[in-house]
Amino acid sequence: GENVEQHPSTLSVQEGDSAVIKCTYSDSASNYFPWYKQELGKGPQLIIDIRSNVGEKKDQRIAVTLNKTAKHFSLHITETQPEDSAVYFCAASINNDMRFGAGTRLTVKP
Amino acid sequence: DAGVIQSPRHEVTEMGQEVTLRCKPISGHNSLFWYRQTMMRGLELLIYFNNNVPIDDSGMPEDRFSAKMPNASFSTLKIQPSEPRDSAVYFCASSTTPGITEAFFGQGTRLTVV
Repeated sequence: GENVEQHPSTLSVQEGDSAVIKCTYSDSASNYFPWYKQELGKGPQLIIDIRSNVGEKKDQRIAVTLNKTAKHFSLHITETQPEDSAVYFCAASINNDMRFGAGTRLTVKP
Repeated sequence: DAGVIQSPRHEVTEMGQEVTLRCKPISGHNSLFWYRQTMMRGLELLIYFNNNVPIDDSGMPEDRFSAKMPNASFSTLKIQPSEPRDSAVYFCASSTTPGITEAFFGQGTRLTVV
């Protein structure tokens, strides 16, 4: 089955700096790559997603890139703010069979 | 819509007892997922349903775990008998089908087995 690896496991940045989280996947048939943000005591919430026919997608301060050949995708957060502090999960999906990475705990220091 | 609704939010039970977790997916969503989250193993997919039919239960850890979806608006995850290593947060999520869509998560049930 699909295996998703995520790095780093923890990331600490200064407010205003950029943060980058990287994921790799194993199954070339995966065709949907969402990113979720999980705050303490809550369920994961989608922040951005990308489909396999697109290389890059941007939504305000958040962007995701996808390299299908290398089977990796990345989350970029620019101008980080303290409220960006949370655990971020990448996932790879084949027809609703969604597998998650281990998560990255992002801390944005004011 | 109120989103995916899970109950209870917290459950504390003694080892050996039966535990039933409940989930109400978003109306109109055809797929439902059960995930388990622990510090050691992260988010693990246990089972998912399409149109109330279990599609893949390969993530269910052992026979003590069972899941049902008797109709489009309700699903249960049962652990019998429960063990301390089952302690985790269990999430239910739902999405539309077919294909490539966002999964919406509930708030989770924090299970503690003592």
